[in-house]
Amino acid sequence: EAGVAQSPRYKIIEKRQSVAFWCNPISGHATLYWYQQILGQGPKLLIQFQNNGVVDDSQLPKDRFSAERLKGVDSTLKIQPAKLEDSAVYLCASSLGMNTEAFFGQGTRLTVV
Amino acid sequence: AQSVAQPEDQVNVAEGNPLTVKCTYSVSGNPYLFWYVQYPNRGLQFLLKYITGDNLVKGSYGFEAEFNKSQTSFHLKKPSALVSDSALYFCAVRVDLLSGGYNKLIFGAGTRLAVHP
Repeated sequence: EAGVAQSPRYKIIEKRQSVAFWCNPISGHATLYWYQQILGQGPKLLIQFQNNGVVDDSQLPKDRFSAERLKGVDSTLKIQPAKLEDSAVYLCASSLGMNTEAFFGQGTRLTVV
Repeated sequence: AQSVAQPEDQVNVAEGNPLTVKCTYSVSGNPYLFWYVQYPNRGLQFLLKYITGDNLVKGSYGFEAEFNKSQTSFHLKKPSALVSDSALYFCAVRVDLLSGGYNKLIFGAGTRLAVHP
C-alpha cells in the first residue's frame, strides 16, 4: 500500500514570497490533516478535512495560509506572503476516518530567509 | 480544556533496561489515544493505539502502552530498551469538536528518548 506522498521535500524562499505544498493521501482515506512542526515542538494541527469539507481550521493563520482538498483526494497548502516564523516542517497525514490512526508523509521542510 | 501532555522533555535509559515515556490527557467522552515515533528528518510513524478494550496495548517494535482511566494516563513502555529506540516520541489524542460530531487529532510536545549503550 502506497503511503502519504508530499512534495517538495525541501523549499527555501525569501520572506514575503509565496509557496505551495502538495499532498496525496493514502487511497480511500477520507480524513486529511496538515500539521506545522517547528523544530523541537510537537505537530500543530493547521487544518483537517473530512472528504473535501473543512472540519477544523481554528489554528490556521487565514490571513496568509490557505488550503484546499480537490475532489476529496489531493490537497494543497499555500502560504502567501511567507514570514520568517513560518520556517518549519509541514506534515500531511491521512486516516480512514475520524477514529482511526493517521499515517504521515515525509514532510516538507520550509526555510524562510 | 481538552489536551494532551508529555511531562518529560527527555528520558535517558541504559540499553537493556525498561523504559517508560509518560503521557496524560484531558478529553470529554471516551479517549482515543495514540503513540507515534519520529526519527531525524522523517515523518511520524504510528506505534500503537487505544480505542477500547484491554488496558495494555501492544504495538510495533516491542512497545506497549498502559491505559489508566482513573489517572487519565497512557504511558508508553518497553521491557528492554535498544540504542536504536533513541528518537522523539509523541502522544496524541482525538478531541471532540463543538459541532458536527467530528473530532480532531492533537499531539503532545514530544519526549526525546536517549538510550545509552
